[in-house]
Amino acid sequence: DAGVIQSPRHEVTEMGQEVTLRCKPISGHNSLFWYRQTMMRGLELLIYFNNNVPIDDSGMPEDRFSAKMPNASFSTLKIQPSEPRDSAVYFCASSNLAGKVDEQYFGPGTRLTVT
Amino acid sequence: AQSVTQLGSHVSVSEGALVLLRCNYSSSVPPYLFWYVQYPNQGLQLLLKYTTGATLVKGINGFEAEFKKSETSFHLTKPSAHMSDAAEYFCAVSGTGTYKYIFGTGTRLKVLA
Repeated sequence: DAGVIQSPRHEVTEMGQEVTLRCKPISGHNSLFWYRQTMMRGLELLIYFNNNVPIDDSGMPEDRFSAKMPNASFSTLKIQPSEPRDSAVYFCASSNLAGKVDEQYFGPGTRLTVT
Repeated sequence: AQSVTQLGSHVSVSEGALVLLRCNYSSSVPPYLFWYVQYPNQGLQLLLKYTTGATLVKGINGFEAEFKKSETSFHLTKPSAHMSDAAEYFCAVSGTGTYKYIFGTGTRLKVLA
């Protein structure tokens, strides 16, 4: 398996622009997580999907952030409008919970810089 | 509620020396515990995990960790450090009935030649 795939790997954009991050989870996994990593706050869970349905979005910072999972093999995280404080590394992870906790497989991340 | 504390944001060891990275947790349910490693510009990779059963868990690259319920600890060890072990290490806790991982703040390991 190719593992979790994220694109782009690096994104540089100007404040106010829309940013879309993409994730392809491991085939057969039923759970998908979006995380944000910063020096100040460490790893934060933004949103969790199970069977393509958002279960917990309490970590989404504000209305500028939105996430979708239209099918089992694709998810997006959108920031509109972007702000400099959104600069971070965004990770997507997938897992096959199947009713129990299991390890999460992380993608390589997208490094976002908002100028 | 669950939480994780990693003591020491930076740890330096000499090549060949013992590696000890500390992790203490709190959990209101039986915990599942994980150690992940992150190499520069990469995602997190699972080193080892404890769910149930044997409390001494062996992982990849010669690492192991012991679940000590009485001490609420899950420290990561490796008998002999290698230069390639230089990375950031994260402890995480989850538990029965919850999908959430709570990650520690990470410990950056530096290996000195």
